[in-house]
Amino acid sequence: GQNIDQPTEMTATEGAIVQINCTYQTSGFNGLFWYQQHAGEAPTFLSYNVLDGLEEKGRFSSFLSRSKGYSYLLLKELQMKDSASYLCAPMDSNYQLIWGAGTKLIIKP
Amino acid sequence: IAGITQAPTSQILAAGRRMTLRCTQDMRHNAMYWYRQDLGLGLRLIHYSNTAGTTGKGEVPDGYSVSRANTDDFPLTLASAVPSQTSVYFCASSEDERNTEAFFGQGTRLTVV
Repeated sequence: GQNIDQPTEMTATEGAIVQINCTYQTSGFNGLFWYQQHAGEAPTFLSYNVLDGLEEKGRFSSFLSRSKGYSYLLLKELQMKDSASYLCAPMDSNYQLIWGAGTKLIIKP
Repeated sequence: IAGITQAPTSQILAAGRRMTLRCTQDMRHNAMYWYRQDLGLGLRLIHYSNTAGTTGKGEVPDGYSVSRANTDDFPLTLASAVPSQTSVYFCASSEDERNTEAFFGQGTRLTVV
């Protein structure tokens, strides 16, 4: 079956760095997406990885290892507005996104 | 402002009633999707459409139907609502079904009583 595993909740301090891990098992693979979702709002796109390695975009970076079925999202210089849920979503061989339950990130001053 | 719009924003519905959730996008995206989001679970795909005139079943299609008469609109119908359909429903669109960013509507919070 298809499965996504990411921590349910994480806490970090403003200004610090946090890494949110995601492991996945899918039927085929066509890349992996990360989305951010603030409470009561819609998910918004953060990153897409299809090849192994690190993709950097400002304060956010995303890493992929296809052989390990593993990705992480790295958030630097944390700000209070980064408090949100972060959704890991690999795409399977049918180009369907398989969504994890999300990691709720709490930022403390 | 270009985007994707859902209506209504929230609704309380009596069990057994019929309800259509509306979704419209003006980005000329080919692919559209309906998801439901429940506490502690990931987004689950209900139905999708890769292009106008075609639709497909997702992970949890039972009790729901969709149509895609044109590019812009993708309504979701609950023929006879049941309490287990209480959820937050998100419509989304993307340029095509392969490897492209999805844009989400603001969601419809539906409570079936």
